[in-house]
Order: sequence, then structure tokens, then C-alpha cells
Amino acid sequence: AQKVTQAQTEISVVEKEDVTLDCVYETRDTTYYLFWYKQPPSGELVFLIRRNSFDEQNEISGRYSWNFQKSTSSFNFTITASQVVDSAVYFCALSETTSGSRLTFGEGTQLTVNP
Amino acid sequence: DAGVIQSPRHEVTEMGQEVTLRCKPISGHDYLFWYRQTMMRGLELLIYFNNNVPIDDSGMPEDRFSAKMPNASFSTLKIQPSEPRDSAVYFCASASGTLNPSTDTQYFGPGTRLTVL
Repeated sequence: AQKVTQAQTEISVVEKEDVTLDCVYETRDTTYYLFWYKQPPSGELVFLIRRNSFDEQNEISGRYSWNFQKSTSSFNFTITASQVVDSAVYFCALSETTSGSRLTFGEGTQLTVNP
Repeated sequence: DAGVIQSPRHEVTEMGQEVTLRCKPISGHDYLFWYRQTMMRGLELLIYFNNNVPIDDSGMPEDRFSAKMPNASFSTLKIQPSEPRDSAVYFCASASGTLNPSTDTQYFGPGTRLTVL
């Protein structure tokens, strides 16, 4: 069975600090996909990134970067020079090819960036 | 381009009443998903459709919940009768399914916040 764990329930930082959100997953599939979504205070879920299990290259998008390591079953998310607008709940999610289109979400990490 | 549209955004009702939530997926998307978000259970998949056909409804909590997709641009999630424990945010999402449905990104609507008194 697939499972996603986000051990950090809440993180609080001061603006301009770097912050890393952890995500650990469990799966028996060799082909799977990992996602990060952002849920700002307004409540919508915003897609950030999708990675497949065959691509372990790190990805950078502006101040956002993702580190995918199959050896440790982790898909961590780093925000560089955090800003107040980054305050949100961030969800990591997993989709296995054998489970159809089911997305399994982690519990989410509440990030608060203080000015 | 319009994203996933959900209505109403907020719904307050009394226990025992029927509630209908509505969703319009992104045009051209073949997959539609209904999720529920609560503090206790987090985000959980209720049901999803492919080309208007329900594929997996194993997440639907009980017979009080039903979902339909009469055409490619509209879906409903109905709760009858509603109970206080149904209070949650209900999200609709859609995906194109052009590659493998497991890989396609799901885009979420703004959600409907349901409160059952």
C-alpha cells in the first residue's frame, strides 16, 4: 500500500530564511509519480511539481527546488529566501501506476513565514 | 483558460437536508475526481470518473453519498441526508488523461466548504 509521510506538522521561519519541507513515501511499485501542492490560506490547492520515479534529477524553479532520492524514498522541497507569501500548507502526494489515478496525500506541513 | 469550477463555495445546511455540490472540470480533461478534506482525515479521494464513467468509488463513505457525471463538463456530489460529520471542504479535480492517468497532473477547484449544523 502506498503511504506518504510529512513528519513536520508546522514550521515557522523568518523572512529570507531557507526552509526545507520533508516528504517520505512508501510504495511497492517501480513506476510511480510524486507531487507537491500548495494550499494558501485562501484554501485552493495549487499544483507545484510532478516527478516520475525514473527521473532523480533535482529540479529548480525560481526560489523553489526539489530533491528526489530513491535510496531514501524522499522527495524534499526547499524554499530559498522565503517570503511571507510562501506561508501555506504544503502537501506531498504519491500516485502509483498500479493504483489507477489515486493520489495519496501526506498530512501536510503548515509553513509560516514571519516578516 | 478557466480552471476547475466548483459551486457553491460555501454551504451551510441543517442535519437531514440534502446537499448538492457541483463541479465543472477543465475543458478537454477526461478524468474527474472528488476529494474531501478534514482535519482528522486529511485529503481523501471519494470517487473518480473517466469519460463520465465512475471508475473507483471505494472512498465514498456510505450510501448517503452519491456522485454523477451526466456529461463531460459537469459532475455532482450529493449527500442525502446530511449529517454534522459530513462537514468538510470538498474538492473537485480534473486531469487530462492523455498519457497515463496515474501520471497526469490533477488540477483542483477552489473547493466547497460544507457546514452541517
